Amino acid sequence: NAGVTQTPKFQVLKTGQSMTLQCAQDMNHEYMSWYRQDPGMGLRLIHYSVGAGITDQGEVPNGYNVSRSTTEDFPLRLLSAAPSQTSVYFCASTDGSPGTGASYEQYFGPGTRLTVT
Amino acid sequence: GQQVMQIPQYQHVQEGEDFTTYCNSSTTLSNIQWYKQRPGGHPVFLIQLVKSGEVKKQKRLTFQFGEAKKNSSLHITATQTTDVGTYFCAGGPQGTGGFKTIFGAGTRLFVKA
Repeated sequence: NAGVTQTPKFQVLKTGQSMTLQCAQDMNHEYMSWYRQDPGMGLRLIHYSVGAGITDQGEVPNGYNVSRSTTEDFPLRLLSAAPSQTSVYFCASTDGSPGTGASYEQYFGPGTRLTVT
Repeated sequence: GQQVMQIPQYQHVQEGEDFTTYCNSSTTLSNIQWYKQRPGGHPVFLIQLVKSGEVKKQKRLTFQFGEAKKNSSLHITATQTTDVGTYFCAGGPQGTGGFKTIFGAGTRLFVKA
C-alpha cells in the first residue's frame, strides 16, 4: 500500500493563479481531510469528506473548494491564490469504522509546500 | 468556535529528563488523538483515547484523558534524542461524529544529549 499520496511536493504560484492539489489514498478509507499548517498554529482543518459525494467545511474553508467523486481521491482547489495561502498542506484519511471500536487514526500524506508570491 | 489549547509551546530538556505536554478543549470531546511530527515530516499517529479518565501507556509515553473529556496530557519518561519533534493533540468534538478534528498548536520538544 502506498498509503496517502500528495502531488505536487512543492509549488510556487503568483497571486490570482488557480491550481489543484491532488490527494489519493489506497486504503479504502471513507473519511478524508485537508489541513494547512502554518508556523506556531498547528494544523487547521480546511475541508473534510465523510464519503464519496459528501463534503463539508472545516475551520478555514474560504478560498478553497473540494469535491469527492471517488473514495480514493480528494483534490483541493485554490480558486484565486493569495499570499495568505502560503502554507504546507496535508491531506489525511481515516478508516472511520462506526461503533464503539471506531478508529479516529488519521494517516497523513507527505504534504505540499505552497508559496504564493 | 471550538478551540484546543496546548501548552507549553516549546520545551527544552536534557536527555534523561521527563517531559509533559497538556491539552485543553473549550468543549467536551468524543475522543482525543496524539500525533508526533518530526522536523520536515508529516504528523504520525501515536494513540487515541475515547473513555473518560482513560490512561494508556506506550513504553516511556503515558497518555491521559480527563474525567470531563475536555483535557489530556502526554508524559514522556526519561527523554531520548529520538523523542525530538512536535507533539500535537487533536480533539474530535462531540456531536460531529468525532472526525471533524481540531488540532492543538503543538509542543515542540528539544532534547539535549
